[in-house]
Amino acid sequence: DGGITQSPKYLFRKEGQNVTLSCEQNLNHDAMYWYRQDPGQGLRLIYYSQIVNDFQKGDIAEGYSVSREKKESFPLTVTSAQKNPTAFYLCASSPRAGGTGNTIYFGEGSWLTVV
Amino acid sequence: EDKVVQSPLSLVVHEGDTVTLNCSYEVTNFRSLLWYKQEKKAPTFLFMLTSSGIEKKSGRLSSILDKKELFSILNITATQTGDSAVYLCAVPSGTSYGKLTFGQGTILTVHP
Repeated sequence: DGGITQSPKYLFRKEGQNVTLSCEQNLNHDAMYWYRQDPGQGLRLIYYSQIVNDFQKGDIAEGYSVSREKKESFPLTVTSAQKNPTAFYLCASSPRAGGTGNTIYFGEGSWLTVV
Repeated sequence: EDKVVQSPLSLVVHEGDTVTLNCSYEVTNFRSLLWYKQEKKAPTFLFMLTSSGIEKKSGRLSSILDKKELFSILNITATQTGDSAVYLCAVPSGTSYGKLTFGQGTILTVHP
């Protein structure tokens, strides 16, 4: 079945360690996104990529890094520079820029807890 | 900067009640407004609204957009415990449809 796979679903890390969250899609979508969700807040955009080998910062990119070497993969690294990394992270994809709003697909999310 | 504000932030009702969730927005280049339901995991798509005054319906849920006053409402009639979730409103920003600006969400709790 087509969809977006995020891993791991739950991750615990010590403060100061970098951690990488995986996002893979087999929908042949050009664009991919990473969102962060904190309790009591909606989703906030971290990074997005509209095409392979290109990505742009979203609203809260500080302390994060991404790569887009393959169309189907968009991993997110939470670095030690991110001050409050504990959150729920959602990956999403869409066919292309200018698609319709109901063709945005979300992964199941990854819960990151930093202790 | 695009902005989306939802109200109320939380709502507790009993089964059978009708609820109205609000979403106001400010966006540079409006294309559509989206409603999602989120139950612990990935948001699931409910409605996409592009035109004022045209109600979208799906079972007990309905939504309408007012582009003049820059808001949308989501109505749920005869609520059930399965409606308990976070309801998110979002607008696309920039040139990519997945680049969404979300509201804070409304936490709906439906008691038996």
